[in-house]
Amino acid sequence: GAGVSQSPRYKVAKRGQDVALRCDPISGHVSLFWYQQALGQGPEFLTYFQNEAQLDKSGLPSDRFFAERPEGSVSTLKIQRTQQEDSAVYLCASTGTSPDTQYFGPGTRLTVL
Amino acid sequence: SQQGEEDPQALSIQEGENATMNCSYKTSINNLQWYRQNSGRGLVHLILIRSNEREKHSGRLRVTLDTSKKSSSLLITASRAADTASYFCATASGGSYIPTFGRGTSLIVHP
Repeated sequence: GAGVSQSPRYKVAKRGQDVALRCDPISGHVSLFWYQQALGQGPEFLTYFQNEAQLDKSGLPSDRFFAERPEGSVSTLKIQRTQQEDSAVYLCASTGTSPDTQYFGPGTRLTVL
Repeated sequence: SQQGEEDPQALSIQEGENATMNCSYKTSINNLQWYRQNSGRGLVHLILIRSNEREKHSGRLRVTLDTSKKSSSLLITASRAADTASYFCATASGGSYIPTFGRGTSLIVHP
């Protein structure tokens, strides 16, 4: 079946612009995670949903970052007033019946100029 | 913050050789996982080892876990050029399913 998809794959934004990144998890997967991966680093946890409930948002770096999953499937990560330090790859992952195993999407590479 | 630290940061070998990567972590864990990331792609789950296990195998992969030393190793036997990728360990602690990733080992396998 289809894996986790993310769009857009690449996004260039001018500093101060708002961006929205989309994640389509594997159908039926209850849990969804967002990560930020800086160049040469491992993924850093941002936030976690179980169905539509955002159970953990401790990793969001500032109040400019906001995530939602209103119907418990597709999720959107929104970054307001982007800054250069927001440049990174944003990864989405979902888990099914085995909660330990995460299935990752290809990521969205965000470049803020 | 990153719990796991992989060693070495970079590894370059010839096709057919074995590749060994290590991961050290700081706090007690429930499980440890290894993921692979090809350039420009998302992460792919390779193998999970629980805290009460010492060794697991999957194809050409062998993972060991030493909880007394808070370390794990990933061995790839008979490496192939297609194994070229970054490899990350990720640990989960307490009651959380949220993994904490290390910085990764960049493996290059020369054909």
